Amino acid sequence: DTEVTQTPKHLVMGMTNKKSLKCEQHMGHRAMYWYKQKAKKPPELMFVYSYEKLSINESVPSRFSPECPNSSLLNLHLHALQPEDSALYLCASSQAPTGGRPLHFGNGTRLTVT
Amino acid sequence: GQQVMQIPQYQHVQEGEDFTTYCNSSTTLSNIQWYKQRPGGHPVFLIQLVKSGEVKKQKRLTFQFGEAKKNSSLHITATQTTDVGTYFCAGILNSGYSTLTFGKGTMLLVSP
Repeated sequence: DTEVTQTPKHLVMGMTNKKSLKCEQHMGHRAMYWYKQKAKKPPELMFVYSYEKLSINESVPSRFSPECPNSSLLNLHLHALQPEDSALYLCASSQAPTGGRPLHFGNGTRLTVT
Repeated sequence: GQQVMQIPQYQHVQEGEDFTTYCNSSTTLSNIQWYKQRPGGHPVFLIQLVKSGEVKKQKRLTFQFGEAKKNSSLHITATQTTDVGTYFCAGILNSGYSTLTFGKGTMLLVSP
């Protein structure tokens, strides 16, 4: 069981679609993250939110748009994606963004872009 | 750019054999974390090492952090089929806001 909940578990979308991935945590963590993971590769950092403010954007294309409505919620809005964007998208949270606190990952959303 | 190297990429052992994965960085790490990802699952935090020369144990798992804080290892004694998965090390290359840099992972397969 994970304390970070992601929906949906699976998503298939066309290149012209707009969709959103959702993430929720109720551990009182103040840092939340989006990672992208391709098969047999490590998680690759996309965005970091610290105290509900975007603090790191790892040069992610604008077709990915993060949003942090409050300290418990994190969204990733998707628009005009490419087939190469198909991957497992992982949300994670940590107590704070500094000091190397452990990451708590959600189960992920497996995204297929057709 | 700065990287955390991890070897081997893959290891297949018979149940009961030992297993070790190694992590190396060209720069000093302020700390290092280890994660396990089961097939089809998500990474799960195992442990964090902070001090130079630190050794921590979790049942059959032994974690070490090098004296120079540039390398780390995870050793599993007498593997079981439940140990199957990919083990990632992840280090903080700088202090402060810096985020984790993940190694490429070692995939462990255990045959009964």
